[in-house]
Amino acid sequence: DIQMTQSPSSLSASVGDRVTISCRASQSISSWLAWYQQKPGKAPKVLIYKASDLESGVSSRFSGSGSGTEFTLTISSLQPDDFATYYCLQYNNRWTFGQGTKVEVK
Amino acid sequence: QVQLQESGPGLVKPSQTLSLTCAVSGASISSPNYYWIWVRQHPGRGLDWVGFIYYSGSAYYSPSLKSRAAISVDTSRNQFSLKLSYVTVADTAVYYCVTGEMGNYGGHWGPGTLVTVSS
Repeated sequence: DIQMTQSPSSLSASVGDRVTISCRASQSISSWLAWYQQKPGKAPKVLIYKASDLESGVSSRFSGSGSGTEFTLTISSLQPDDFATYYCLQYNNRWTFGQGTKVEVK
Repeated sequence: QVQLQESGPGLVKPSQTLSLTCAVSGASISSPNYYWIWVRQHPGRGLDWVGFIYYSGSAYYSPSLKSRAAISVDTSRNQFSLKLSYVTVADTAVYYCVTGEMGNYGGHWGPGTLVTVSS
């Protein structure tokens, strides 16, 4: 099974900050990685797929990078609507989610 | 626009079978372009993949469920289902049905349904 290690588990940031979240796969997953945003009581929403492709309708302040085993989600300038929990998902071999990163107000 | 909606009992007794259905609109459950996925989220915790099924009928499950899960499709009703047997309180979670392009990420999610396991 492929394990996904996501870090940090939480972070505090202010509006306008640049935020980065990392995911590491236990083996190469090529670029088969997606990033999701989840708000309380809601289903997750996809932001990025294939490691760096922006889902239609998602703000360009979200970007993804990486391949193989190391991946990063970057929010270039944090907005009030971005305080949420973020998950990575590998879909190279079955599915595995990262543990999640909660982005909180500083 | 693909839309999904979960339904099923909100309360299940320990050792019984949890049964959930996901009604699909905007896509055919028989289409080779999609696959059909279940994800769950324990209260206050992260997302866990339960399993998925391809249009061919091949299904794959999380090893952590130890063969208790079964996913099936009903082409006549354009829906797919999850059965989880011998449930315990540890199976209490919000269950989401998800779909995506074949072998790809899940772009469409249902709103989720909370299932509580309790006597």
